[in-house]
Amino acid sequence: GEDVEQSLFLSVREGDSSVINCTYTDSSSTYLYWYKQEPGAGLQLLTYIFSNMDMKQDQRLTVLLNKKDKHLSLRIADTQTGDSAIYFCAESMDTGRRALTFGSGTRLQVQP
Amino acid sequence: EADIYQTPRYLVIGTGKKITLECSQTMGHDKMYWYQQDPGMELHLIHYSYGVNSTEKGDLSSESTVSRIRTEHFPLTLESARPSHTSQYLCASSEYSVQGQDGYTFGSGTRLTVV
Repeated sequence: GEDVEQSLFLSVREGDSSVINCTYTDSSSTYLYWYKQEPGAGLQLLTYIFSNMDMKQDQRLTVLLNKKDKHLSLRIADTQTGDSAIYFCAESMDTGRRALTFGSGTRLQVQP
Repeated sequence: EADIYQTPRYLVIGTGKKITLECSQTMGHDKMYWYQQDPGMELHLIHYSYGVNSTEKGDLSSESTVSRIRTEHFPLTLESARPSHTSQYLCASSEYSVQGQDGYTFGSGTRLTVV
């Protein structure tokens, strides 16, 4: 079976970089995703990475994938107070009929 | 601007009542999902659908039922609500992609409280 794990909480100061980590167990994962959930809202897709990539950068976001260790990370550069939210990683195994499996979420708190 | 809509946004209801949580999307997505989110944040898949007249149970057992009579509509029903059903319910949709990237679009959720 698959399992996606994240640390529960991360606190950083405004302007610093944040690194949110995720580990997964299913080596056949095809795509890995990062979602953001603000208070009282649904989840918003931030970025995704295909399993044959090591890194993907999108403005302040950098995703690193270590397939050997089954480790995924999301780095947020110049973290702002508006980045305070819960961040979920998720995996999917193929393009077919499988639903995403989500991690338990990491609550990021950005202190002014 | 949201392309997937959930109503009601908040619902407080008495034990034993029948309720239907609505979810509609305007993107023509074939795939739709219901997740239940714990107060501790974790999401659990309770139902999914790959198209009209297709519904499947998810990883977490749920006493709710769903239907998919139209592509855009995926309502969730609880025949007799109980306090244990108190939770946040999130609806999502996605489409088959030739690239295989299967990102979801989520609704804002329905926060259900059963008293």
